[in-house]
Amino acid sequence: QSALTQPASVSGSPGQSITISCTGTTSDVGRYNYVSWYQQHSGKAPKLMIYDVSNRPSGVSNRFSGSKSGNTASLTISGLQAEDEADYYCYSYTSRTSWVFGGGTKLTVL
Amino acid sequence: QITLEESGPTVVKPTQTLTLTCTFSGFSLTTDGVGVGWIRQPPGKALEWLALIYWDGHRRYNPSLRSRLTITKDTSEDRVVLTMTYMDPVDTATYFCGHTDCGSDCYSGHFDYWGQGTLVAASS
Repeated sequence: QSALTQPASVSGSPGQSITISCTGTTSDVGRYNYVSWYQQHSGKAPKLMIYDVSNRPSGVSNRFSGSKSGNTASLTISGLQAEDEADYYCYSYTSRTSWVFGGGTKLTVL
Repeated sequence: QITLEESGPTVVKPTQTLTLTCTFSGFSLTTDGVGVGWIRQPPGKALEWLALIYWDGHRRYNPSLRSRLTITKDTSEDRVVLTMTYMDPVDTATYFCGHTDCGSDCYSGHFDYWGQGTLVAASS
């Protein structure tokens, strides 16, 4: 199965907002509201930031928000902070009764 | 407090079978809705979902790797085992296990707790 498509990198200055896109197909992102987002700092395990498109787990900052339109899901980080610099991965259920990750996006805080 | 820890060999030879164990605490794999899955990440590359097993024994596999993977659970020992046959150098990766809870819908499949991962190299 093909990975979901994410930009390789995005960047922003402290305090700004950035959005990371995640494009799938009508068999995954476009069909189900089961998109989640993970943050991964270098050498660490991933951390769940958003699940089911727009739900935030307890303890995750409200600066992180998720949305979806058609086959594309998005993660928005507002009020960018240095600690947000990390790799971000989207993840979706698919019609093949399995799940698939995106290719990952490296966020640089300038 | 939920914790998970992966264990297994650090090196396997090509064509051999890899066996990884995920030992967990803080939850039971006999509780309705609970699942444990495996994810891997080659060095410098993206995450790849591998397999998931639920409290009721249902299993899900990555279609691209289905013929090589087997996931099982040992509820008496609170662990989940993943085997991958015919290892190849391209299977070199950090392998993570994670906890999921269906909540209202098992299709969500998101992992809310992760182990720290174990690096496995497939090399002769």
